[in-house]
Amino acid sequence: DTGVSQNPRHKITKRGQNVTFRCDPISEHNRLYWYRQTLGQGPEFLTYFQNEAQLEKSRLLSDRFSAERPKGSFSTLEIQRTEQGDSAMYLCASSLGPNSYEQYFGPGTRLTVT
Amino acid sequence: GEDVEQSLFLSVREGDSSVINCTYTDSSSTYLYWYKQEPGAGLQLLTYIFSNMDMKQDQRLTVLLNKKDKHLSLRIADTQTGDSAIYFCAEKRGRNNDMRFGAGTRLTVKP
Repeated sequence: DTGVSQNPRHKITKRGQNVTFRCDPISEHNRLYWYRQTLGQGPEFLTYFQNEAQLEKSRLLSDRFSAERPKGSFSTLEIQRTEQGDSAMYLCASSLGPNSYEQYFGPGTRLTVT
Repeated sequence: GEDVEQSLFLSVREGDSSVINCTYTDSSSTYLYWYKQEPGAGLQLLTYIFSNMDMKQDQRLTVLLNKKDKHLSLRIADTQTGDSAIYFCAEKRGRNNDMRFGAGTRLTVKP
């Protein structure tokens, strides 16, 4: 399977702990996106990368959130000092490049903060 | 308004056509999309339409775009029980690279 993969699929953590999620995009895709989806809502854009460069960040991405894509392949999203409001599905998507209009999504990581 | 809007629920009988409607926000949106999400899964790209088109057909799926009214619809012909899912409308706005999604329409197909 050469689709977008995400790990872990589920994460339960206590409030105040740090968590890190990983996304592996489709191998030849240069662009990688992170979205957050809360229950009953559509995904909301968080940030995206063109290769290793983080080009855009949403105002939803508070200082407790940091994303990296160090070698332009996989990406990590870290949330520090988690809060209950961070509970959501975190979705990763990738696309071929700047002129590509198709984003392909991974299965998501469901975070529950207790 | 600022939101992409969709009705929340639609119920049809197997074999009927389903029509899911959406209004989007930005007249400069370049591409408009329909995604399908099944329980516990990520989003599956179903189809998309470029803003200079008014219709696109792909097998059982027909997308209609009314740019003047910023209205997008997805018609599923001969709806099957496997089509039961949440359908999201999304717009890719102008020069931005993010996509803005609606809250999704839950389609239930009854046998």
